[in-house]
Amino acid sequence: GAVVSQHPSWVICKSGTSVKIECRSLDFQATTMFWYRQFPKQSLMLMATSNEGSKATYEQGVEKDKFLINHASLTLSTLTVTSAHPEDSSFYICSARDPAGGEEAFFGQGTRLTVV
Amino acid sequence: AQSVTQLDSQVPVFEEAPVELRCNYSSSVSVYLFWYVQYPNQGLQLLLKYLSGSTLVKGINGFEAEFNKSQTSFHLRKPSVHISDTAEYFCACREGGYNKLIFGAGTRLAVHP
Repeated sequence: GAVVSQHPSWVICKSGTSVKIECRSLDFQATTMFWYRQFPKQSLMLMATSNEGSKATYEQGVEKDKFLINHASLTLSTLTVTSAHPEDSSFYICSARDPAGGEEAFFGQGTRLTVV
Repeated sequence: AQSVTQLDSQVPVFEEAPVELRCNYSSSVSVYLFWYVQYPNQGLQLLLKYLSGSTLVKGINGFEAEFNKSQTSFHLRKPSVHISDTAEYFCACREGGYNKLIFGAGTRLAVHP
């Protein structure tokens, strides 16, 4: 199946700093990628849909100025958590569909963000 | 609007016993249904999917699921579980023609020796 690579797998940052998470489709081109947030022992909550070459679509309640999404190429989307606070600590996961590969979504390995 | 309900937050089971993880969905149109497995601190791996055709679908690791349109269910089953099946299982739904994947709350399967 298609491969989605997410980097870094874990990161610790200080409050007030910004952190960038990368999501790459390694063997296919993804016009659309998705960013999810997962709290401990909870399900995945869709944060935003990242569209190549255009603005991301954010879900209700997600601060677009805090969670900046850039999808500059067909294989790379980035999520930047700006001015991070401890409450932003979470597991962030990206996914993408291979347009030529069927209906399933492929997921990155996830990024564990800890803000101290 | 579509939604996914996983009725059991945790399912404890002994090794080599059968297991069923329940999933119900709500949608006014045709849907695609998926089961994913998540191991600690990892992303999601697809177990199986229902797109159309046969209502009984088989996936990896000996899992299978049956799509029941009248009951709007897509329960996951395995006849004999292993310790290594201990993980979080997510049922997900996507309406045809849309990209958004909606997840259930997840079921923690704990296999005991």
